[in-house]
Amino acid sequence: DVKVTQSSRYLVKRTGEKVFLECVQDMDHENMFWYRQDPGLGLRLIYFSYDVKMKEKGDIPEGYSVSREKKERFSLILESASTNQTSMYLCASSFQTGGQGAFFGQGTRLTVV
Amino acid sequence: QQQVKQSPQSLIVQKGGISIINCAYENTAFDYFPWYQQFPGKGPALLIAIRPDVSEKKEGRFTISFNKSAKQFSLHIMDSQPGDSATYFCAASLQTGANNLFFGTGTRLTVIP
Repeated sequence: DVKVTQSSRYLVKRTGEKVFLECVQDMDHENMFWYRQDPGLGLRLIYFSYDVKMKEKGDIPEGYSVSREKKERFSLILESASTNQTSMYLCASSFQTGGQGAFFGQGTRLTVV
Repeated sequence: QQQVKQSPQSLIVQKGGISIINCAYENTAFDYFPWYQQFPGKGPALLIAIRPDVSEKKEGRFTISFNKSAKQFSLHIMDSQPGDSATYFCAASLQTGANNLFFGTGTRLTVIP
């Protein structure tokens, strides 16, 4: 079974803190993604990566950065957390070819106070 | 621009009834159409998927109907149960590419006893 693991289920951080969300996949997928999910807004793509050290902005990259130093690991960084970044964060991974869809982690519920 | 349009946004069905969620797309290069099921507090999980060379795929109570000429596909949940209450996302995938998966905005299904 494909496994995408996010390091935390729940996080509470203070405004202005630097926050790291970690994601690891075990299927040798080339693509990895970070989404944000808010009620009524569906899944919004923050950043994605198609190879080690490669990254591309998604639809809502402002206030976020990412790091992919190893193929299996993709990190989302909130440089200075703000209350409007309180959300559910979802990591996903997929192959670049074969069109098989993506596999998601269990999500991280981040609350910024 | 929304690549995959999904409706309705929310759906309430009586137990034992049929739940129907519809999606439409424009890009004829899409060649894989998955549906994801997401329970509260969890990440989306792949439920069922179809490729455009077939018009229907059935797995238990879940059926995808695919109309290639109309560029539409739908999820039918037969004999809906309260345990089916979740958010459902349709998606469309390209054969290759780095960011090759596009999601609908989601449908929140509630099955009432």
